[in-house]
Amino acid sequence: DARVTQTPRDKVTEMGQEVTMRCQPILGHNTVFWYRQTMMQGLELLAYFRNRAPLDDSGMPKDRFSAEMPDATLATLKIQPSEPRDSAVYFCASGLHKSLAGDNEQFFGPGTRLTVL
Amino acid sequence: DAKTTQPPSMDCAEGRAANLPCNHSTISGNEYVYWYRQIHSQGPQYIIHGLKNNETNEMASLIITEDRKSSTLILPHATLRDTAVYYCIVCPGANSKLTFGKGITLSVRP
Repeated sequence: DARVTQTPRDKVTEMGQEVTMRCQPILGHNTVFWYRQTMMQGLELLAYFRNRAPLDDSGMPKDRFSAEMPDATLATLKIQPSEPRDSAVYFCASGLHKSLAGDNEQFFGPGTRLTVL
Repeated sequence: DAKTTQPPSMDCAEGRAANLPCNHSTISGNEYVYWYRQIHSQGPQYIIHGLKNNETNEMASLIITEDRKSSTLILPHATLRDTAVYYCIVCPGANSKLTFGKGITLSVRP
């Protein structure tokens, strides 16, 4: 049963510390998305990659957030320095883009719950 | 992307059909209707999508009106495990971002 995995599942850190969240997309998927969910803002897209290249990171605060795909099996989202307002659940999702209209099924991971004190 | 409007919440009895409405009056010709759901403390889950025709899979049915300005997601026999937030999303399809709104909270009662 192929699934998106995310680590860590929970992270508590202090303001100013660096946070790195990791995602392993489903093998064979070529598109990876990072979302953030808070009670106030709901689910927001931060960035997404196709074939490891960033396609859109307009939803991501550029000064402190960075997203990368070192290889096809790993996506990372880094926050440096972290702030209390970054507290949220961060979801990674992957999908297989086949250039077919309507092809937008995304498979979500369980999320990383981040608390910045 | 076109916006969608959903009621904030609804409930239904276990075993009955749950009909979840969605309005998308500004939908464009190349935009699809997608439904996802999010069970508490889990990541969203894809349910179904469609363009013009009604669609059915093992989870649900999607009924899209002829003018495409609204749609209904039907869970034919709701169970307690179907209690979740259901998101109706309109987007052009492949290579497109999903913009999640507030969704509709479905509560299935015993």
